[in-house]
Amino acid sequence: EVQLVQSGAEVKKPGESLKISCKGSGYSFTTYWIGWVRQVPGKGLEWMGIIYPSDSDTRYSPTFQGQVTMSADKSISTAYLQWSSLKASDSAMYYCARFDWDPVRAFDIWGQGTMVSVSS
Amino acid sequence: SYDLTQPPSVSVSPGQTARITCSGDALPKQYGYWYQQKPGQAPVLVIYKDTERPSGIPERFSGSSSGTTVTLTISGVQAEDEADYYCQSADNTGAYRVFGGGTKLTVL
Repeated sequence: EVQLVQSGAEVKKPGESLKISCKGSGYSFTTYWIGWVRQVPGKGLEWMGIIYPSDSDTRYSPTFQGQVTMSADKSISTAYLQWSSLKASDSAMYYCARFDWDPVRAFDIWGQGTMVSVSS
Repeated sequence: SYDLTQPPSVSVSPGQTARITCSGDALPKQYGYWYQQKPGQAPVLVIYKDTERPSGIPERFSGSSSGTTVTLTISGVQAEDEADYYCQSADNTGAYRVFGGGTKLTVL
């Protein structure tokens, strides 16, 4: 079964750092891009960016460029999203998703989401 | 930045046809995609490349494109189709991808 399994919910304080993970299984992890999507509770989906685990080529949405860092460890089929200094406005659900470049050219498999709560 | 515009809400009775639109300046050049999200769940892709349906998605879901608008049509709406629907596409360069604001489909 093709699936993405994300790390568990996090509760952090402003200024702290955080790295959440997304582990792929059931497919060749290095031949598909992995994307990240933010969803603030009660709000819509926001495209954050995508990373190609084979060579770590990364494309950030302008909104998130410089705010987060995407990375991947292909040896363990895992992608990461990290913050160096969290803000309260980073509180949201974060989804990873597999981007099928051809033929679908969209997110065809999604993780279950990781809830990040940032509060003093 | 590039924006995709969707109506906030659409309501239909069971068995009727629901149409959800998504407008964007780059849509004549870029494909549109549609995701369904039910409460507490991750999104699911229901239409890709304007009109294509992934395997496992019911035939009542279809997509179309005309000019700067793409449309998701759900024929014979069922209670289980009640969800938020998001369109997604790219800007004219294809470099930046965005989601629309989402449409809440209510089945009366």
